[in-house]
Amino acid sequence: EAQVTQNPRYLITVTGKKLTVTCSQNMNHEYMSWYRQDPGLGLRQIYYSMNVEVTDKGDVPEGYKVSRKEKRNFPLILESPSPNQTSLYFCASSSLYRGGYTFGSGTRLTVV
Amino acid sequence: RKEVEQDPGPFNVPEGATVAFNCTYSNSASQSFFWYRQDCRKEPKLLMSVYSSGNEDGRFTAQLNRASQYISLLIRDSKLSDSATYLCVVTRRGDDKIIFGKGTRLHILP
Repeated sequence: EAQVTQNPRYLITVTGKKLTVTCSQNMNHEYMSWYRQDPGLGLRQIYYSMNVEVTDKGDVPEGYKVSRKEKRNFPLILESPSPNQTSLYFCASSSLYRGGYTFGSGTRLTVV
Repeated sequence: RKEVEQDPGPFNVPEGATVAFNCTYSNSASQSFFWYRQDCRKEPKLLMSVYSSGNEDGRFTAQLNRASQYISLLIRDSKLSDSATYLCVVTRRGDDKIIFGKGTRLHILP
């Protein structure tokens, strides 16, 4: 089944403790992206990647890192999480030639 | 002006009615258009692509008006299960950036 898999689904952590949210897709998509979604603010792009070893900042990259060492994986790293990073996070992938995103099921992160 | 704008709603519509909502975009270089559906606390899912000639999928019809820079979504014979937030998505020509609207909330009332 074609899908984007994010883990974990839920995470509660403390301020300053490094964490990684994994994202993997099995559709051989070139484009992958991370979003956060907050009430009243909609989906905001954190980082995106057009292909392996190519990453770019989105609209709200501060406090986040990403890497794209393999085509299928695009982990999101929070080196020192803070409470303002409490949010619902989505990973998404797309074929550059067909458009249309497939989203992961989301990760609800709470930083206390 | 935001690049993609939608009326946030909510639209409260009785079951069986027809409902339509629009999305405007400001960048005339936008090249691809989509409607997504998002249920509460779930991931957005692609509902349909939007083509210049208009396209229909069952009870759903999407249209693009490039001259006035808006896309529309029409839902006929609405069902309770259509209750969701509908997101307008536009892809920008040149850098292929994908821009999401903030969504329109739809409540279908029994």
